[in-house]
Amino acid sequence: AQTVTQSQPEMSVQEAETVTLSCTYDTSENNYYLFWYKQPPSRQMILVIRQEAYKQQNATENRFSVNFQKAAKSFSLKISDSQLGDTAMYFCAFMRVSGSARQLTFGSGTQLTVLP
Amino acid sequence: SAVISQKPSRDICQRGTSLTIQCQVDSQVTMMFWYRQQPGQSLTLIATANQGSEATYESGFVIDKFPISRPNLTFSTLTVSNMSPEDSSIYLCSVGGRAVNEQFFGPGTRLTVL
Repeated sequence: AQTVTQSQPEMSVQEAETVTLSCTYDTSENNYYLFWYKQPPSRQMILVIRQEAYKQQNATENRFSVNFQKAAKSFSLKISDSQLGDTAMYFCAFMRVSGSARQLTFGSGTQLTVLP
Repeated sequence: SAVISQKPSRDICQRGTSLTIQCQVDSQVTMMFWYRQQPGQSLTLIATANQGSEATYESGFVIDKFPISRPNLTFSTLTVSNMSPEDSSIYLCSVGGRAVNEQFFGPGTRLTVL
C-alpha cells in the first residue's frame, strides 16, 4: 500500500513571497504519478500540478513548480509570487499505474494562508 | 476537462435515515470514484463505481452501508445508509480523464447527520 505524508499542517506566507510545501511518499512501485491539488473554502478540488515518475524534469505551471526527488520519495510544491487567492488547503496525492487503476491516495493536507 | 455536478450540494439528515447523492458528468467516462472527506481530514477513497457491474470497495467500506449504482457512463449514485453523526462528511465524486494521469472532482456534497 502507498502512503503520502504531509508534515506541515499549516503554513503562512506574505503576499508576493515564495513558499514551499513538503510531501513525502512511500511506495514499492516504479511507475506512478504525483499530484498537488488545491481545495479552497468552496471545497472544490482543483488540480494544481502533476508529475510523472518516469520524467526527471520537474513539472512547472506558471507560478507553481515541484521539486521531485524520486530516490528520496519527495515531492515538494513551490509557489512563487504568492497571491491571496492561493489561500487554500493543499493536498499531495499519489496514483499508481497498474492496469486501469486510477485511485488516488492523499496526504493529510497543508493549510496555506497568504497574508496581505 | 470534464464538468461534474453533484446533487444535493448539502443536506442535513436525521440519524437512521439514508441519503442518495447523485453525480453527473457531461461526457462518457470509464472511471468514476467516490471519496469521503471527514471534517478537517483528507480524502479517502470509498469505492470505484463500475459501469455494468458491482462497485469495488476499499478496505473499511461495505456495500450495505454505501451502496453505489452506475447505470451508464455519465452517471452514478452513492447512498449513505442508516446514517449516524460519524457519517457527517463531504462526499466527492471524481472521474478519470482521457489521459491516465487526469482526474477531475465534482463540487462535493456536504452531509451533516444530527
